[in-house]
Amino acid sequence: DVKVTQSSRYLVKRTGEKVFLECVQDMDHENMFWYRQDPGLGLRLIYFSYDVKMKEKGDIPEGYSVSREKKERFSLILESASTNQTSMYLCASSWTGDHEQYFGPGTRLTVT
Amino acid sequence: RKEVEQDPGPFNVPEGATVAFNCTYSNSASQSFFWYRQDCRKEPKLLMSVYSSGNEDGRFTAQLNRASQYISLLIRDSKLSDSATYLCVVNQAGTALIFGKGTTLSVSS
Repeated sequence: DVKVTQSSRYLVKRTGEKVFLECVQDMDHENMFWYRQDPGLGLRLIYFSYDVKMKEKGDIPEGYSVSREKKERFSLILESASTNQTSMYLCASSWTGDHEQYFGPGTRLTVT
Repeated sequence: RKEVEQDPGPFNVPEGATVAFNCTYSNSASQSFFWYRQDCRKEPKLLMSVYSSGNEDGRFTAQLNRASQYISLLIRDSKLSDSATYLCVVNQAGTALIFGKGTTLSVSS
């Protein structure tokens, strides 16, 4: 079974803090993705990566950065957390040429 | 990036009912199409791909109309366990997918 894990299910941070969300997949997938999901807005792509050290901006990259130093790990970084970044963050991975994405359980981040 | 649009619902149906969800996409260059299912407080999971010729998986039938840029999902003989949000998903080119906002289905006994 494909497994995508995320470092935390719930996280509470203060405004201005630097926040790291970690995602690890165990299926040797080339592609990894970070989304946020908000009521009424659906899933929105923040960043994705199709290879180690490669990254591409998604639809809403502002306020976020990413790091992919190893194939299995994709990190989302909030340099200075703001209240409008309170959301559910979902990581996903897939093989190149296969559009089925496997999602992690999500991290519910609250910024106060 | 163009949008994928779905009726948000909720659709409230009794067990055994047949229910259909529709989805439209705005970019005619879209290449691949999918339905994902998301249970409450869970992550999305692939339900089925959608092929031009239409395809069926048990009680679920997916249809694609490229000319109208329209995708549908039909669920026959609804079960309580079908209660979930159904996400219409489109791939235009490359790796990224575009997700619709989802249609919520509630099946009651």
